[in-house]
Amino acid sequence: GESVGLHLPTLSVQEGDNSIINCAYSNSASDYFIWYKQESGKGPQFIIDIRSNMDKRQGQRVTVLLNKTVKHLSLQIAATQPGDSAVYFCAEKGLDSSYKLIFGSGTRLLVRP
Amino acid sequence: DTEVTQTPKHLVMGMTNKKSLKCEQHMGHRAMYWYKQKAKKPPELMFVYSYEKLSINESVPSRFSPECPNSSLLNLHLHALQPEDSALYLCASSPSDPGTRWANEKLFFGSGTQLSVL
Repeated sequence: GESVGLHLPTLSVQEGDNSIINCAYSNSASDYFIWYKQESGKGPQFIIDIRSNMDKRQGQRVTVLLNKTVKHLSLQIAATQPGDSAVYFCAEKGLDSSYKLIFGSGTRLLVRP
Repeated sequence: DTEVTQTPKHLVMGMTNKKSLKCEQHMGHRAMYWYKQKAKKPPELMFVYSYEKLSINESVPSRFSPECPNSSLLNLHLHALQPEDSALYLCASSPSDPGTRWANEKLFFGSGTQLSVL
C-alpha cells in the first residue's frame, strides 16, 4: 500500500552544522511533496514543497531534494539553529481521486548548543 | 492575515459532555480540514470541506460532527467521546482549488485544541 516513512526517528546535530532529514515514499505516482515543522504545543508549520517535475527547490536556509528514481525525499537545513529543534514531517500527495496528503511518521531534530 | 485560529487551546470534557471546537481563517481559502494527532504521531485526516460542503469523511465516528457555517469558519461538535479520543485536534485551510489535482496543497495549520476526555 501507499506509505511515507522516515529512516531516522531522531536526529541530533551540533548548532551551526547542516542537517539532513530523509523520507522514503512508496507511491511512484505521487506528484507533490511537502515538509512541515512542528514545535512542541504548536500545529505543523509549512516549510517547503516540491512537485515531481523538479529535483530540487531552495528556500531560506532549507533545500528539498527529490530523487524519483529511488523514491526519496530529503530536507536540508543549513547552519542549524536551536530554533530548528522540532519534529519534521514529510507528506506526499498521490493522484487518486481524493488527492489526499499522506503524512510520514516524523523525525525529531535536536540541536545541541 | 495568514493565520488559522483555533479555540479553545485546551479542553477537558467528560464522556457525557457536549462541546465544540472552533476554527477560523480569513485568507479566503475554500478548503478547510480537521485532523487528529496523537502524541508522537503524524496528523490523521478526519474531514475535508470544499466550498463549504463536506467532501471527505475518513470514516470518522458519528460522535464527531463537523460543521462549516461559512467560508471562514469550521466547527467540530463533540458528543459522548471516549478517553481514546484524547488528542490534539488540528484545523487547517488550503489556498489550492478543491476538487482538482492541485487540491490539498500547502495546508496552513492552526495551533490546535488539546483535548482530554475523562
